[in-house]
Formats: sequence, C-alpha cells, structure tokens
Amino acid sequence: DTAVSQTPKYLVTQMGNDKSIKCEQNLGHDTMYWYKQDSKKFLKIMFSYNNKELIINETVPNRFSPKSPDKAHLNLHINSLELGDSAVYFCASSPLTRSGNTIYFGEGSWLTVV
Amino acid sequence: RKEVEQDPGPFNVPEGATVAFNCTYSNSASQSFFWYRQDCRKEPKLLMSVYSSGNEDGRFTAQLNRASQYISLLIRDSKLSDSATYLCVVNFANAGGTSYGKLTFGQGTILTVHP
Repeated sequence: DTAVSQTPKYLVTQMGNDKSIKCEQNLGHDTMYWYKQDSKKFLKIMFSYNNKELIINETVPNRFSPKSPDKAHLNLHINSLELGDSAVYFCASSPLTRSGNTIYFGEGSWLTVV
Repeated sequence: RKEVEQDPGPFNVPEGATVAFNCTYSNSASQSFFWYRQDCRKEPKLLMSVYSSGNEDGRFTAQLNRASQYISLLIRDSKLSDSATYLCVVNFANAGGTSYGKLTFGQGTILTVHP
C-alpha cells in the first residue's frame, strides 16, 4: 500500500492551461506539504497544511492554489501554466511533533509545460 | 548565503571506499537535522537523523557540530547500491518552538560508486 500517493505521475501540457495534481496519504499524519524540485535539483517547500489549515506559504505565485478537503488530502491546482513551472512536484506528509519531523514523500509528479 | 549548503560533487569512488559529505547551515536556531537519500527519478527518503552526540547506522555515521553549524555523513565500505544523491536537511523552528516540518534541503551531493 502506497503511503503517500499523488497523481498524475507525468503531465505534459501547454502554456496557459490549468492543471491539478492530487495527493492522498494513508499514514494518519496531521501535516501535508507540497515541494517543488527544479531542474537544478533544489527541493523547496511551497505549502504546508496542518489538519486542513494552511501554515506555511512560501513565496509562490498565486497561480498556485493548494486545497485540503480533509487532513488526508492536499491537492495542488495551477492556473495559467508557464514554461518555468516545469519541475517535479512532490507531495509529502508528516506527524506534527515539537522536536522535528521525518517526512514521507510521494513518488513525484513530473510536470512539463510546452 | 544559502540556508543549507553542500558540496554538490559529484563524488566518484570505487567499491569499498570511505567517503565523507559535508554540509553547513546558516540558521543557528535550527532544531533538527537529517540526511535524506534520493535515487535517480525517485522521491527523497530518510537515511538517518543526525544527533548532537553523533550516531551510527551500520556503515553510515552522522555527526553534528552546532558551534560550527556543520553536519557530516560518512559512508564506509561503499557499495554500488549507495550511488544516489545525498541531501542534507535542516528543520527550522518557528517562534513557538514547533517545527511544522519546514525542512530546508541542501542541493544534494551526487555519489557514484563504481566497481
């Protein structure tokens, strides 16, 4: 059973389109995240939700809108896609602890904007 | 200065070699530290946490020096299967002391172990 699952795994789309990536975790964790890994392999946090509440919102264009219908799901919607949005998007989850977290990543969604 | 800096490598070593990776972080309020491993076209996975006293897991030894804001990973007796990118990861706390899991990743160090 996949702990953190995200779909689709691969997505090729044209500039200007709107697309969504879905994510679900069955680990019972309170916190979920979206990370972006660019072509230089830097992995950067975009958003974090704790029990459906947004707690981290890094400097991300407002074309990116996360939605968490419940604590097991965190979807990412992207409007008006641009070439620079091409990257791998990783969903992740973790229990919320005071001393630090191990986070568990999904397999990634490879987005290519053409 | 980047929040978490690593030597990107690549490191090319023969099987059986010992290899060490270094990492520095800029925020002295950093709370917890990890090494993650990422295989090609895969997601990052936790390799080990890093504790102030240093810790070992089989062939892997992690060290933390809070005064110097420096973390290291030592791999002994390298195997072909150790080939991957090794990510230094630091968890910064917010004002309330809760981490909320804002992990900051280094750019990764590429390791290739050859026969």
